[in-house]
Amino acid sequence: KQEVTQIPAALSVPEGENLVLNCSFTDSAIYNLQWFRQDPGKGLTSLLLIQSSQREQTSGRLNASLDKSSGRSTLYIAASQPGDSATYLCAVIGYGGSQGNLIFGKGTKLSVKP
Amino acid sequence: AAGVIQSPRHLIKEKRETATLKCYPISRHDTVYWYQQGPGQDPQFLISFYEKMQSDKGSIPDRFSAQQFSDYHSELNMSSLELGDSALYFCASSFGESAGSPLHFGNGTRLTVT
Repeated sequence: KQEVTQIPAALSVPEGENLVLNCSFTDSAIYNLQWFRQDPGKGLTSLLLIQSSQREQTSGRLNASLDKSSGRSTLYIAASQPGDSATYLCAVIGYGGSQGNLIFGKGTKLSVKP
Repeated sequence: AAGVIQSPRHLIKEKRETATLKCYPISRHDTVYWYQQGPGQDPQFLISFYEKMQSDKGSIPDRFSAQQFSDYHSELNMSSLELGDSALYFCASSFGESAGSPLHFGNGTRLTVT
């Protein structure tokens, strides 16, 4: 059974720092991996989607990498801002699962202090 | 562009009552997914629909049912509500059900069962 783990559970950094969030999954047979952002009491915003054949995706200050063989993904946030404060979730879809059958990690709660 | 719309935003029900949650996907999206997120938990997949047919099923209790209508909106019907059903219920939509396009989530309906 696929399990997704995110470390750390919480992270507090001063504004301007570069930071890395980690995600690991136990079954490397994934179809793709997505990173989401969730603000308190709000829905999930898709940040980056990496197909299993890809190694990384970039969007603005965000860069996500995927190492399927080791079951790891990282989300790199450059020059962090207070507006980046949120919970970041990674989720995977395994082969045979539908697009919606995402398996989520429990998230990393990020706080960026001004 | 309008995102995924969920209604109501908040709902308070008593035990053993019924509740209906509604989801309006992004225009031209033909696939909807329902997720349940308990307090402090990661989202759990409930059920999905593609072209008005159920496409996948997750951990949806037998007391719950859902359907997708001709205009692609979806409703989640919950009966015999229990205290443990209190959670944030998310709907997401995509174009097509195959993995590859990111899911777009609504802001959720917060259900409180008293």
